[in-house]
This record gives sequence, C-alpha cells and structure tokens, in this order.
Amino acid sequence: DVKVTQSSRYLVKRTGEKVFLECVQDMDHENMFWYRQDPGLGLRLIYFSYDVKMKEKGDIPEGYSVSREKKERFSLILESASTNQTSMYLCAGSDRGETQYFGPGTRLLVL
Amino acid sequence: AQKVTQAQTEISVVEKEDVTLDCVYETRDTTYYLFWYKQPPSGELVFLIRRNSFDEQNEISGRYSWNFQKSTSSFNFTITASQVVDSAVYFCALSEMSNFGNEKLTFGTGTRLTIIP
Repeated sequence: DVKVTQSSRYLVKRTGEKVFLECVQDMDHENMFWYRQDPGLGLRLIYFSYDVKMKEKGDIPEGYSVSREKKERFSLILESASTNQTSMYLCAGSDRGETQYFGPGTRLLVL
Repeated sequence: AQKVTQAQTEISVVEKEDVTLDCVYETRDTTYYLFWYKQPPSGELVFLIRRNSFDEQNEISGRYSWNFQKSTSSFNFTITASQVVDSAVYFCALSEMSNFGNEKLTFGTGTRLTIIP
C-alpha cells in the first residue's frame, strides 16, 4: 500500500496569505492527486500529477497551483487564500491505473 | 461526463441490523472501475474495494458485501450485523482514464452512516 502523509492536520490562515499544503508518499508511485472535500459535494479533484514536474488540471483548479519537484512530494499552493477555500484537503497517491490511497487530510480555515 | 449518485445522505440503524448503501453511476466508457471508500471521524479515506467493469460477481469480505449490476448501473454496499465502528461516511467512486492514461476518480457525495448502540 502507498503511505501518504500530509504536513498539517489543521491549518488556520488569513485572507490573502499564500498557503502551502504538503503531501509526501513513500512508495515511489507515479501519480499524486489533490482533492477538496465539502459537505454535500463529495470530493472534487483540483490537480493531479503523473510524473515529476508534470501536472494536469482537475475539475476545480481555479485559485490553486501545484508543484512536484520530487517524485515523493506534491504541494498544493493557494496563491492568495480566500474564505471560500476553507475546506478539507485530501492528497492521494497511486501507481498508474491502480487504486488511489489517501492521506489523513488537512482541514484549512481561512479567516 | 461521468457521474456517481449516492441518494442516501444519512442513514441511522441500530447495532446488529443490516444496512445497504446505494450507488448509481453513469459513464460512456466500456472499461471502468468502481470503488468504495470509508471515511471515519478521523478524516482519512480508507480504501474498501475496487471492482472492474467486466467482473459482475458479487464480493463478500467478512461482514461487507458488494452487489455490482451493470444492467442497472449500480454498485451497492451491504454491511451485515452492523457495529458501532462502522459509523462513518462512505463514498462510492468511478474511474475514468485521463489523456495521459491515468485514472481520475469521480466521487459521489457520500452517505453518512450512524450505528446506534
């Protein structure tokens, strides 16, 4: 199984701040994903990466960017945090075509 | 576009009762995968099962069982003799292949299951 960790379980930021959410997987897998989870909406894909320095937009990329400089690390960046980005953020990793395994999630509150 | 519908927003049952969580999906793909994940109060999504679109056999794992019916585009999940530890939000998901040959998941909105002691 892929072991996926996220740098923070809870985070509180101010509107306009630049926010970094970090995700690390330990099994040398190619794919990594960022989702946000909101009540009544399920999980929605923000971005994913299929290789180092490669990325593809998901369903809701607006207001976010990502970085993957090393295979094991995938960062989600909120360039200028807004209150509507208050959410639960979940990172996942997988082999190509295989099951996605998720990290513990980061609950972000933007004030 | 792919779509997953979990019409049951919340379900409550008394411990030891059986409970079925419904999942209906839409896709134009002929090859796809269906998944169930469990999200306990701690927040982490726990993988439960992955099913190939060509394999319609029902699966049983302990108290859990899954019924896949292509004719009705459904992939329902049954917990037998429910326990308090089964209390969680359960998500059904459907895969699709991206332009780069990697799977993207479309999730349902989840069903919150509460087991009453």
